[in-house]
Amino acid sequence: AQSVTQLGSHVSVSEGALVLLRCNYSSSVPPYLFWYVQYPNQGLQLLLKYTSAATLVKGINGFEAEFKKSETSFHLTKPSAHMSDAAEYFCAVRLTNFGNEKLTFGTGTRLTIIP
Amino acid sequence: EPEVTQTPSHQVTQMGQEVILRCVPISNHLYFYWYRQILGQKVEFLVSFYNNEISEKSEIFDDQFSVERPDGSNFTLKIRSTKLEDSAMYFCASSEPGGYSSGANVLTFGAGSRLTVL
Repeated sequence: AQSVTQLGSHVSVSEGALVLLRCNYSSSVPPYLFWYVQYPNQGLQLLLKYTSAATLVKGINGFEAEFKKSETSFHLTKPSAHMSDAAEYFCAVRLTNFGNEKLTFGTGTRLTIIP
Repeated sequence: EPEVTQTPSHQVTQMGQEVILRCVPISNHLYFYWYRQILGQKVEFLVSFYNNEISEKSEIFDDQFSVERPDGSNFTLKIRSTKLEDSAMYFCASSEPGGYSSGANVLTFGAGSRLTVL
């Protein structure tokens, strides 16, 4: 079984400030981890993924996330927030065993950027 | 860039009516999925489909729901008799088969079909 917990349903940061969105996972086997972004009235777009290679993963739009096994975390960061980053962000986990492709999502974090 | 397309973008229906949501997955993908997102809540897994059969389904996916790949390109979700609580955004997704040896293939999501049950 697998699950993710996203701490903070709403996060507000000032434009230019650091963005930190938290995600902790639980998994019975080594996981694959993902961050998706959902802009208003749009679908889910992949930001980045962790697939057991490098623990620091870089994604699109300047985002990155670090897999920390000891902390069971996969927090999403961006050094400098931009107004266009305002969206809902979802962390998701998938088991690595073949044939189990299902993604389990967290509850999401709505990011607001303050001008 | 290849994309997953969903129709309709928004459907309004009366309680008890049948609804079919349609999806065209990416052409070389072999895994297909339906997820839903009730307003303000998280994205929930409904069902996965591979090799012309359901590979996994959630508790939500009861007898009111069915999926089909009728013609090799479309992937449909049917809700037989809609209830008020079926109102949600329904997302279709597709992926290549992954697994530990080949790494995690990414699910590509469509823009969603918003279902409103009155």
